[in-house]
Amino acid sequence: EDKVVQSPLSLVVHEGDTVTLNCSYEVTNFRSLLWYKQEKKAPTFLFMLTSSGIEKKSGRLSSILDKKELFSILNITATQTGDSAIYLCAVVPSGSARQLTFGSGTQLTVLP
Amino acid sequence: GAGVSQSPSNKVTEKGKDVELRCDPISGHTALYWYRQSLGQGLEFLIYFQGNSAPDKSGLPSDRFSAERTGGSVSTLTIQRTQQEDSAVYLCASSLAVGGLGYGYTFGSGTRLTVV
Repeated sequence: EDKVVQSPLSLVVHEGDTVTLNCSYEVTNFRSLLWYKQEKKAPTFLFMLTSSGIEKKSGRLSSILDKKELFSILNITATQTGDSAIYLCAVVPSGSARQLTFGSGTQLTVLP
Repeated sequence: GAGVSQSPSNKVTEKGKDVELRCDPISGHTALYWYRQSLGQGLEFLIYFQGNSAPDKSGLPSDRFSAERTGGSVSTLTIQRTQQEDSAVYLCASSLAVGGLGYGYTFGSGTRLTVV
């Protein structure tokens, strides 16, 4: 059974801090890894990672994948209160399966 | 529509009652997914529809859960004889059939179901 584990489960920081969120996975057939930001209810897409060692960057957020060690990290620099959300990691399988396997998420709270 | 629309946004029901949750995907998206998110948990896959193919029901937790998709568009998730453990946020997502995995998903805002 595919498994995605995120850590920490929750994190409280102050504005301006840098945070690193972790995602490790065990899957039978790996295609890509995704990061989502979930505020309120609807997750919104952040990054898709397919190749090892290639950093994806969007503003203050960046992410990288290590396919040998089976993990990914999501970095957020100079955090703002608007970054407060649940960050979800999900694995996309190869083959005919179409559903994603999600981790339980990291609840990030950024205090002013 | 412009986005994935789900209704109702909140539903409180008594244990033992049936409920229907609705999802209206983005126009032109042939793939539609239902996920469930219990408090403090990640998203749990329930069911997947792709065009006219038979749906992948492998995630449905019991035979009290069923879903249909009429005309390749709107989908309804039905939970019969609701139990308290069914309380969760039910999220629907749609995507294009080709290259739609992950980055192509658009989620709706979900239905928060509370069974009392």
